[in-house]
Amino acid sequence: DIVMTQSPLYLPVTPGEPASISCRSSQSLLYSDGHKYLDWYLQKPGQSPQLLIYLGSNRASGVPDRFSGSGSGTDFTLKISRVEAEDVGVYYCMQVLQTPITFGQGTRLEIK
Amino acid sequence: QVQLQESGPGLVKPSDTLSLTCAVSGSSISSNNWWGWIRQPPGEGLEWIGHIHYSGSAHYNPSLKSRVTMSVDTSKNQFSLKLTSVTAVDAAVYYCARYQTPPSYFDPWGQGTLVTVSS
Repeated sequence: DIVMTQSPLYLPVTPGEPASISCRSSQSLLYSDGHKYLDWYLQKPGQSPQLLIYLGSNRASGVPDRFSGSGSGTDFTLKISRVEAEDVGVYYCMQVLQTPITFGQGTRLEIK
Repeated sequence: QVQLQESGPGLVKPSDTLSLTCAVSGSSISSNNWWGWIRQPPGEGLEWIGHIHYSGSAHYNPSLKSRVTMSVDTSKNQFSLKLTSVTAVDAAVYYCARYQTPPSYFDPWGQGTLVTVSS
């Protein structure tokens, strides 16, 4: 199984400041088609997870442009350029290169 | 837009079978999509259970494979999950979601349904 490791697990951020979450995979998520099979989700308090980023760097429909994803084959980053109060919740990375699909442990973002 | 809604018993006895259904609206389940289940134990992270195509082809998590069955009912535009021989570790919020591949992501998700395992 591909192991996904996120850091930090807890991220207090001042509104208006940037934030960055790291996700590392135990093997490369870069496929022969050139795509990186890594998605990012946000689970807001009391809600279902919602898709933020797919294929490593593509923002899902309706996702604000302050969210961006980047990365190589095994090291990925989710960046929020300026954190807003509505961004609180738990962020998960998920690999979809192969089954079983696996998630990172989650990073809890809170507002200072 | 596409919406998913889970339903099923909120309480299951140990050793019994957990059965959940996900009703899909706003899209035909027979469209070229896969339909998945993900669970989340209270206070914990997310675990992929599996996903199924309307044709019946399915992928299951090996850790649950011997106990999991998924099915699709095109006449009702819904899909289902059965998990046999449940124990306390199967207590979780169960989410259904559309799995779009390519490009491979779960969206949207249902609101989730909490399943408790207790006698």
